[in-house]
Amino acid sequence: DAKTTQPTSMDCAEGRAANLPCNHSTISGNEYVYWYRQIHSQGPQYIIHGLKNNETNEMASLIITEDRKSSTLILPHATLRDTAVYYCIVCGGSNYKLTFGKGTLLTVNP
Amino acid sequence: GAGVSQTPSNKVTEKGKYVELRCDPISGHTALYWYRQSLGQGPEFLIYFQGTGAADDSGLPNDRFFAVRPEGSVSTLKIQRTERGDSAVYLCASSLPGQGVTEQFFGPGTRLTVL
Repeated sequence: DAKTTQPTSMDCAEGRAANLPCNHSTISGNEYVYWYRQIHSQGPQYIIHGLKNNETNEMASLIITEDRKSSTLILPHATLRDTAVYYCIVCGGSNYKLTFGKGTLLTVNP
Repeated sequence: GAGVSQTPSNKVTEKGKYVELRCDPISGHTALYWYRQSLGQGPEFLIYFQGTGAADDSGLPNDRFFAVRPEGSVSTLKIQRTERGDSAVYLCASSLPGQGVTEQFFGPGTRLTVL
């Protein structure tokens, strides 16, 4: 699976949009971009995934660049409960192993 | 509805002892996964079950680790002759059949401490 690079940490003000970047320059054509998050002392939680089109659900939006070498997870109105480690994972559609890096610690400040 | 549950939530044991960690997946989820998370790191894949059989156990670190899922539902991760380096949070996840990595539902984990 392609390797991903994320910033170690980010801060965001409550109520503002949080934009979390991820680089995956070696992604191959059949690999998806997945985002999970892990709130302190809990198991990871699925957020969203995409192949090449932008995706939106009730939790977030995923913007994937046209060359698919990077993506951005957008939390449109961050709340204090969104403080968590966010993991960007690249994985083939038939694969089942999630390969987690160290992720980005997002801290939402009041 | 009920999510993935794991018991115990915390386990403290002594070096050399045997431990069992239990995972109850979401009802109807035929795929079950075990991960291990060390402090400050992301979760690391251990083993994947599809039904009763281990489809991929390539992440198990050595032969002291073993997992079973005899009836295709509850799974038990077994660790023999525990070592201090086995201390970690052990996470279990489950997913619907055919879903691959689309959405794995994780339990809260079991924190294992080996003294």
